[in-house]
Amino acid sequence: DAGVIQSPRHEVTEMGQEVTLRCKPISGHNSLFWYRQTMMRGLELLIYFNNNVPIDDSGMPEDRFSAKMPNASFSTLKIQPSEPRDSAVYFCASSPMTSGTDEQFFGPGTRLTVL
Amino acid sequence: AQKITQTQPGMFVQEKEAVTLDCTYDTSDPSYGLFWYKQPSSGEMIFLIYQGSYDQQNATEGRYSLNFQKARKSANLVISASQLGDSAMYFCAIGFFGNEKLTFGTGTRLTIIP
Repeated sequence: DAGVIQSPRHEVTEMGQEVTLRCKPISGHNSLFWYRQTMMRGLELLIYFNNNVPIDDSGMPEDRFSAKMPNASFSTLKIQPSEPRDSAVYFCASSPMTSGTDEQFFGPGTRLTVL
Repeated sequence: AQKITQTQPGMFVQEKEAVTLDCTYDTSDPSYGLFWYKQPSSGEMIFLIYQGSYDQQNATEGRYSLNFQKARKSANLVISASQLGDSAMYFCAIGFFGNEKLTFGTGTRLTIIP
């Protein structure tokens, strides 16, 4: 089975440009999570969806960040305009959420560098 | 607010020795689960082991075991017979029943010395 797929794996862009990160969760998983990892702040949850509906976006840093999940097999995280402080590794994860707590399966991450 | 703490920023261990990575948590919610993830230098997050708050026995997965001490609110990861490939960052996380969110600790960087 394919795991969580993220694209691109690496992105280098200039300040002010729009950045779109993409994620395909594991088939059958109904929860999807976007995380950001930096040396300073560690691993932070940005937003998560359940059955394509955003449940908690309290971790989204500011209005420059937006996330969508138009269907069960695709999600995007957009940053517009990007800033150097957005440089980080962005992970997407999915979970089956069958009962109680379930492990989250992480994608390989997108390393974003904003110059 | 729920909190999870990993007090060891880094550890060096001789190959083939056992390793204990510390994790403590703070919550008044009785229904939760504890997770350990491994992040090697390649960057991916790999799930290792899970312990539910109502589980009577400590979880084990191969060389990984979880030393769950509920009264002390600790969930230490034990790696037996360490290998060079165990060198990585290790993260402890907590999640709560009915809430999909996980809160991660700051991680411990483990280095296995040949």
